[in-house]
Amino acid sequence: QKEVEQDPGPLSVPEGAIVSLNCTYSNSAFQYFMWYRQYSRKGPELLMYTYSSGNKEDGRFTAQVDKSSKYISLFIRDSQPSDSATYLCAMGNAGGTSYGKLTFGQGTILTVHP
Amino acid sequence: DAGVIQSPRHEVTEMGQEVTLRCKPISGHDYLFWYRQTMMRGLELLIYFNNNVPIDDSGMPEDRFSAKMPNASFSTLKIQPSEPRDSAVYFCASSQTYPGPQYFGPGTRLTVL
Repeated sequence: QKEVEQDPGPLSVPEGAIVSLNCTYSNSAFQYFMWYRQYSRKGPELLMYTYSSGNKEDGRFTAQVDKSSKYISLFIRDSQPSDSATYLCAMGNAGGTSYGKLTFGQGTILTVHP
Repeated sequence: DAGVIQSPRHEVTEMGQEVTLRCKPISGHDYLFWYRQTMMRGLELLIYFNNNVPIDDSGMPEDRFSAKMPNASFSTLKIQPSEPRDSAVYFCASSQTYPGPQYFGPGTRLTVL
């Protein structure tokens, strides 16, 4: 079993829809969580960074972390065609042998059609 | 800030040749990371540096891979000799804090024939 599981999709939604992207993890030592967006043939771009359970909002994006369930989500409101990309979750722990290393999900391919 | 800069953006070479990938991190970032991305394995950390010193190279797949950081603004990842299974996109990332958010470059797409 992988430490981080992410449904690869693909996920196709109409413009304006609310998108929900999710990752589950098995390592209870993970303490910080990130979401990256990667356009085709580009590098991953940091979208959200959180260091605790709860919600964090930035414009149309909301990141949610539930450590008790080992589950994180990214919500995109009023989705736009320009949101079409691969979304990667990443997480890491602040101690132990894997201190500071990020573990990435496989990525979810999202297409928002007009 | 210009962000993380990588060169070349594309590299096509023949099996057995030496390949050198280059990276310039964001100014002021003390941590530099080299990743490899493939469809099968996703993003994998190869090695990371702190203040130009290699800290963890446990992700480097074989002795054919080596990385250096001679100063705070330049790092190289070298593959010698290259093999077709090395074909992938190689990313460099930098970070101001550790642990903390990492900022990625545009990547080098390597094809080994």
